[in-house]
Amino acid sequence: SQQGEEDPQALSIQEGENATMNCSYKTSINNLQWYRQNSGRGLVHLILIRSNEREKHSGRLRVTLDTSKKSSSLLITASRAADTASYFCATDDGNNRLAFGKGNQVVVIP
Amino acid sequence: DTAVSQTPKYLVTQMGNDKSIKCEQNLGHDTMYWYKQDSKKFLKIMFSYNNKELIINETVPNRFSPKSPDKAHLNLHINSLELGDSAVYFCASSLSRGWGNTEAFFGQGTRLTVV
Repeated sequence: SQQGEEDPQALSIQEGENATMNCSYKTSINNLQWYRQNSGRGLVHLILIRSNEREKHSGRLRVTLDTSKKSSSLLITASRAADTASYFCATDDGNNRLAFGKGNQVVVIP
Repeated sequence: DTAVSQTPKYLVTQMGNDKSIKCEQNLGHDTMYWYKQDSKKFLKIMFSYNNKELIINETVPNRFSPKSPDKAHLNLHINSLELGDSAVYFCASSLSRGWGNTEAFFGQGTRLTVV
């Protein structure tokens, strides 16, 4: 099964800075989703971008998708301490499987 | 109200024991899933049920057996627990079969430790 692969694995930034994470995948997809996981908690859906979309915004989140490069990026603007979490991309290949990558650990320093 | 709830949150047990994890969703979703998250936070799908019917059964040892008494519940029973079964197990649900354009709702996870 395919998986999204985030890059980089860990990111430490100051509050107020922007955080960018990248994700690559291997096969064709229906959509790509980003999730956040706070320590000791379940995953929470952040945003979904369909294969025919190139960019999507939700509050301080901006997601891009480049299907020709099989990659996506998640930008968190004006980061806050509460944004400290692991961020996962997940690809929906249309076969009832949502394949997750390894995740990015983001630490926002107050 | 919790949308997807799992019990217990923590489970410590000895090798060779049999244990169950329960999951319930009150979202009216048709599809439920079990994922395993290892120590490196990698998430791997184990099973998926749609309206009580098994639709995904990944390469998981036979010691793991899911059971869905109705579409709001998906339990996971594990026989003869092994050290390598230690992980966090997540239940999730989605509106319908196939992820399509629907998001997944996750439970809080069950941290299983086999000693």
